Amino acid sequence: GENVEQHPSTLSVQEGDSAVIKCTYSDSASNYFPWYKQELGKGPQLIIDIRSNVGEKKDQRIAVTLNKTAKHFSLHITETQPEDSAVYFCAASIGDYKLSFGAGTTVTVRA
Amino acid sequence: EAGVTQFPSHSVIEKGQTVTLRCDPISGHDNLYWYRRVMGKEIKFLLHFVKESKQDESGMPNNRFLAERTGGTYSTLKVQPAELEDSGVYFCASSRLAGGIDTQYFGPGTRLTVL
Repeated sequence: GENVEQHPSTLSVQEGDSAVIKCTYSDSASNYFPWYKQELGKGPQLIIDIRSNVGEKKDQRIAVTLNKTAKHFSLHITETQPEDSAVYFCAASIGDYKLSFGAGTTVTVRA
Repeated sequence: EAGVTQFPSHSVIEKGQTVTLRCDPISGHDNLYWYRRVMGKEIKFLLHFVKESKQDESGMPNNRFLAERTGGTYSTLKVQPAELEDSGVYFCASSRLAGGIDTQYFGPGTRLTVL
């Protein structure tokens, strides 16, 4: 089955700096890669996603890159703010509906 | 539009007891999923409904877990009897489209603690 590895497990950055989270996946048939943000006491919320026919996607301070050949994808957050502090999960699709998740990255933005 | 809701938010039970978790998906979403996160590890797929039909229950740990979705609306996940290793956060998610991957919207989760 699909195996998604996510690194790092924790990340502390100074406010205003960039944060990068990296994920690798094993199933070459995966074609959908969402990123979720989970704040304390809430469920995971989709922040950005990318499909396999695209190499990069941006939404304001958030960008995701995908390298299908190497089977890895990354989340980039620029100009980090305190409200970016949360647990971030990457995921890769399995078939038409299942998602396989990484173990999560706890991001702390220091003021 | 109301999001995915789950009840209860927390449940503490003793080993051997029974617990039933409930999920109300976003109205009109045919797809409903259950996931579980144990002890800071990855979020793991448990099963998938399309309307009232179980499409895939390959992630269910064992036959102590029973999920239902009567009428294709809300879903319940029953654990009977509960064991210590069942502790974790149970998430429900729903999505709109059938026949293709679509955005999955997650509920806030139910934190289950088995003592």
